[in-house]
Amino acid sequence: GAVVSQHPSWVICKSGTSVKIECRSLDFQATTMFWYRQFPKQSLMLMATSNEGSKATYEQGVEKDKFLINHASLTLSTLTVTSAHPEDSSFYICSASGGGMNTEAFFGQGTRLTVV
Amino acid sequence: GEDVEQSLFLSVREGDSSVINCTYTDSSSTYLYWYKQEPGAGLQLLTYIFSNMDMKQDQRLTVLLNKKDKHLSLRIADTQTGDSAIYFCAETSYNNNDMRFGAGTRLTVKP
Repeated sequence: GAVVSQHPSWVICKSGTSVKIECRSLDFQATTMFWYRQFPKQSLMLMATSNEGSKATYEQGVEKDKFLINHASLTLSTLTVTSAHPEDSSFYICSASGGGMNTEAFFGQGTRLTVV
Repeated sequence: GEDVEQSLFLSVREGDSSVINCTYTDSSSTYLYWYKQEPGAGLQLLTYIFSNMDMKQDQRLTVLLNKKDKHLSLRIADTQTGDSAIYFCAETSYNNNDMRFGAGTRLTVKP
């Protein structure tokens, strides 16, 4: 199946710093990428949807100035957690879809963010 | 909004079959997925089924879809301790690339 690579797998950062997470589709063009966050003992929560070349659409309650999403090319989307705080510690997962008739989406491996 | 629901826990003995159930509400669902999440790891796509199918088998895994009842199940034959993980059901619809997940079923396999 298609491969989506997410980097880094885990990161520890100091409170107040910013962290960038990359999501790459390796063997297909991802017109749409999704960013999810997983809270402990809960399912994934969709944070935002990004289409290549457009501004991301954020879900209600997600601060767009805090979670900056860029989808500048058909193979790369980035999520930047700005001025991270301990409550931002979580598991972040991206998924990518080719769009159109193929609505199947493929997930990255996820990034475990720990803010200390 | 549309919901995907699963039971939270399942415990079986090694060698038995496991059946994890999922219900969803979106009648326009096109793809339905089963993901596995092992501790500390990301999601791993196990299998998926298109909505015009009612069954899909892949080695020890059998997916059954009852579209009328909006019920999806994952059967794992000859369950092994390595199958212990959280299993997520997810669905997506044709008009919406978004994916909706259940809360995950924690499968515990006892020796």
